[in-house]
Amino acid sequence: EIVLTQSPATLSLSPGERATLSCRASQSVSSYLAWYQQKPGQAPRLLIYDASNRATGIPGRFSGSGSGTDFTLTISSQEPEDFAVYYCQQRSNWPYTFGQGTKLEIK
Amino acid sequence: QITLKESGPTLVKPTQTLTLTCTFSGFSLTTSGVGVGWIRQPPGKALEWLALIYWNDDKRYSPSLKSRLTITKDTSKNQVVLTMTNVDPVDTATYYCAHRRRQAPVDYWGQGTLVTVSS
Repeated sequence: EIVLTQSPATLSLSPGERATLSCRASQSVSSYLAWYQQKPGQAPRLLIYDASNRATGIPGRFSGSGSGTDFTLTISSQEPEDFAVYYCQQRSNWPYTFGQGTKLEIK
Repeated sequence: QITLKESGPTLVKPTQTLTLTCTFSGFSLTTSGVGVGWIRQPPGKALEWLALIYWNDDKRYSPSLKSRLTITKDTSKNQVVLTMTNVDPVDTATYYCAHRRRQAPVDYWGQGTLVTVSS
């Protein structure tokens, strides 16, 4: 099973600041990595798929990069509605796995 | 518009069998490449894939739970059913069903249903 390790566990930022979230895979997942945003009491929402493609309706401030084992989600300028938990997920090998999440909180 | 909705018991006793139903609309599980999966999330914890079924009846199960899970589909009712046997309090979680196509990520999720396992 591929283990995804996200860092940091918690990121405290002020609105307008840039956020950089990391996801590292225990073995190569090629580019088959997605990022999801989850707010309290809600289902996850797809942000980025295949490492760098924004999903439909996702604002341009969200971007993804990486391949193989190291991936990054960047939020260029935090909006108040971006404070949430972010998960990476690989679909290279079954069982598909999620990282443990990064909580983005207001500083 | 694709929608999915989970239904089932909110409280189950240890050792019992849990049956969850995902009822969906906006797509068909007879369409090539389409799949529906189940993902759970214990309170305050991360997400975990449980099972996945495709249009051609190809099924995938989490290796750690395989002996306890069964996933089936009823295309006439637009439903996918997940059965989990011998539940334990550690199975307490919000259970989500989700839509995906082969070679694509999960793009639509149900709202989730919280299942508590307790005597």
